[in-house]
Amino acid sequence: ETGVTQTPRHLVMGMTNKKSLKCEQHLGHNAMYWYKQSAKKPLELMFVYNFKEQTENNSVPSRFSPECPNSSHLFLHLHTLQPEDSALYLCASSQDNGLIREQFFGPGTRLTVL
Amino acid sequence: AQKITQTQPGMFVQEKEAVTLDCTYDTSDQSYGLFWYKQPSSGEMIFLIYQGSYDEQNATEGRYSLNFQKARKSANLVISASQLGDSAMYFCAMREGLGRDDKIIFGKGTRLHILP
Repeated sequence: ETGVTQTPRHLVMGMTNKKSLKCEQHLGHNAMYWYKQSAKKPLELMFVYNFKEQTENNSVPSRFSPECPNSSHLFLHLHTLQPEDSALYLCASSQDNGLIREQFFGPGTRLTVL
Repeated sequence: AQKITQTQPGMFVQEKEAVTLDCTYDTSDQSYGLFWYKQPSSGEMIFLIYQGSYDEQNATEGRYSLNFQKARKSANLVISASQLGDSAMYFCAMREGLGRDDKIIFGKGTRLHILP
C-alpha cells in the first residue's frame, strides 16, 4: 500500500462517545499533520508532528487528543465532541528536510457528531 | 487579514477551454512557497504544482502552470485544455517561515465546474 491512508473513511458518533481516527503514511516522511475542513472555511491546521514530536497545536480544544507513536502513524483521539466538530478531517505527511514541503494528503475521515 | 485570498468561489468553464484560477497572498517573508491543490468530491487533496519565491521561471506541470507575479503577490493557476475530470475544488496555499516554525496556510478555495 502506498501514500497516506486514513481509517475510518466515515464516522458517526454521539457527543458522549470516544473514538479514534487513524492515519498511516507509507512514504518515509518525518512530519505528519491533522487538518480540519469545515464547510465554506479554509483548511484549519490542528496539529503538527515532526520526528514524532508535536511542534504545533493551534489552540485546538482538549476534546481532540493527538498521538504519534512512530513516524508512520498518527492518531486523533476524540471524546465528548460537539456537533460543530462535524467536518472532514484530513491527515497529511511531508519530508521536513528543505524548503519544499509538499504535503501528501490522505482521503480524509468524514465525521458527523450527533 | 487573510494570508491567502481566492476571490472566485465558483467558476463554470466549457470543456477544452483554458482556465485561470486567481490567488493572491500576503507575507513579509522573503523566502516562501506557493502551492496549488485539487480536491475532487472524493475528498482527497491532490498536490498539483509548487512555486518557490526565488524561482525565476513560472512552474509548469503538464497542463498546469503557475503564473507567478511576485510584485503583485499573485500566484494564479492556469489549466490548459480543461477536461471534465478537472471539476473539483482548487486550493491555493502558502508556506512561510523557516525550518520547524514554518506554516502552510490555505485559501478558501475555488469550485471549478467543467461543462461538456
